[in-house]
Amino acid sequence: DGGITQSPKYLFRKEGQNVTLSCEQNLNHDAMYWYRQDPGQGLRLIYYSQIVNDFQKGDIAEGYSVSREKKESFPLTVTSAQKNPTAFYLCASSIIGRSTEAFFGQGTRLTVV
Amino acid sequence: QQQVKQSPQSLIVQKGGISIINCAYENTAFDYFPWYQQFPGKGPALLIAIRPDVSEKKEGRFTISFNKSAKQFSLHIMDSQPGDSATYFCAASSGSEKLVFGKGTKLTVNP
Repeated sequence: DGGITQSPKYLFRKEGQNVTLSCEQNLNHDAMYWYRQDPGQGLRLIYYSQIVNDFQKGDIAEGYSVSREKKESFPLTVTSAQKNPTAFYLCASSIIGRSTEAFFGQGTRLTVV
Repeated sequence: QQQVKQSPQSLIVQKGGISIINCAYENTAFDYFPWYQQFPGKGPALLIAIRPDVSEKKEGRFTISFNKSAKQFSLHIMDSQPGDSATYFCAASSGSEKLVFGKGTKLTVNP
């Protein structure tokens, strides 16, 4: 089945540690995105990438880093510099070049303990 | 700057009623307007979408109404059911630009 796979579903991190969230897609989409979701805040864009080895900051990139070494993969690292990392993180992908839908993964819930 | 404004933030309707969620946009270059449905603990999924060459699109109990001159579009859920209880997001995009999302509406349908 084609789709986006995020792992793990739940993640616990000690304060001061970096943690990496995985996102893999087999839809052959060029564009991939990371969003953060907090209650009442909607979807806030962290980073996005439209091509391998290139990515752009979104609205709330501070404390996060990404890489895009392969078309299928777009991992997100939550660094110790992110002051309030506990949130629900969503990865998405889409075709570029024309307006069309974005497909979302099932999300990773990160909790800092 | 929020480019898509969504209201209300939360909505409670009775089973069988009509749920209406509204969105307004600023960028006249937007040419794609989707609605996403998200259940708790899950990722959003596309529900229905419209392009500005039509004023209305219906899929089952879900209808998008689009008013290009007012730069507004809305989602109507007819005969609302408890299973429709979810968070709904409107969005907009143009060309190769990324989707811009509204802040979401939490819909509760009481039995």
